[in-house]
Amino acid sequence: GAVVSQHPSWVICKSGTSVKIECRSLDFQATTMFWYRQFPKQSLMLMATSNEGSKATYEQGVEKDKFLINHASLTLSTLTVTSAHPEDSSFYICSASRIDPMRGRITDTQYFGPGTRLTVL
Amino acid sequence: GQNIDQPTEMTATEGAIVQINCTYQTSGFNGLFWYQQHAGEAPTFLSYNVLDGLEEKGRFSSFLSRSKGYSYLLLKELQMKDSASYLCAVIGEDSSYKLIFGSGTRLLVRP
Repeated sequence: GAVVSQHPSWVICKSGTSVKIECRSLDFQATTMFWYRQFPKQSLMLMATSNEGSKATYEQGVEKDKFLINHASLTLSTLTVTSAHPEDSSFYICSASRIDPMRGRITDTQYFGPGTRLTVL
Repeated sequence: GQNIDQPTEMTATEGAIVQINCTYQTSGFNGLFWYQQHAGEAPTFLSYNVLDGLEEKGRFSSFLSRSKGYSYLLLKELQMKDSASYLCAVIGEDSSYKLIFGSGTRLLVRP
């Protein structure tokens, strides 16, 4: 259980175009999903917290107009990198927290998707 | 501020034991995680500690001391496939369940 998928797994695009990345929880409901970015040989940096049915919460320094997040259902969150530039090239990873049906609240463990490698030419 | 420290790199021999330390200073504490990440892949969950003490799971064990702001991940009977980055992450007092990651420790296992 607790499988999270991402699509696409990799994408190459031209500078100035927009790219959409999907994050799905396959076998559980996720009211909260997180989006991270990771540059080579660096750790994960949280970009934003995505809550189903409400606006995402962005971390300091992350442009919300550039990184659009939509969490339309309990199993799907999308990140759109608008007007991508070469400096946006990175490994984008989502994670999801699962609702514990016995306790009726979010469990603490986050389950990560396989990541999307974005290369902007 | 929030600060999580780990050694940058470690090297160990196949079959040996290695301990990766993590110290943290966060505003509040609601649990500490260890994740394993192979190059080019997403992190995979290893362990979760919220109370003091040792949690053992096969070849991997994780220890927590909340009073010292300290944790370690212990890997026994090292295998070549254990070569990876090991990430320490903390959930602070924020109720949003955000993980604060350390910079990760790259472990190289040699024959």
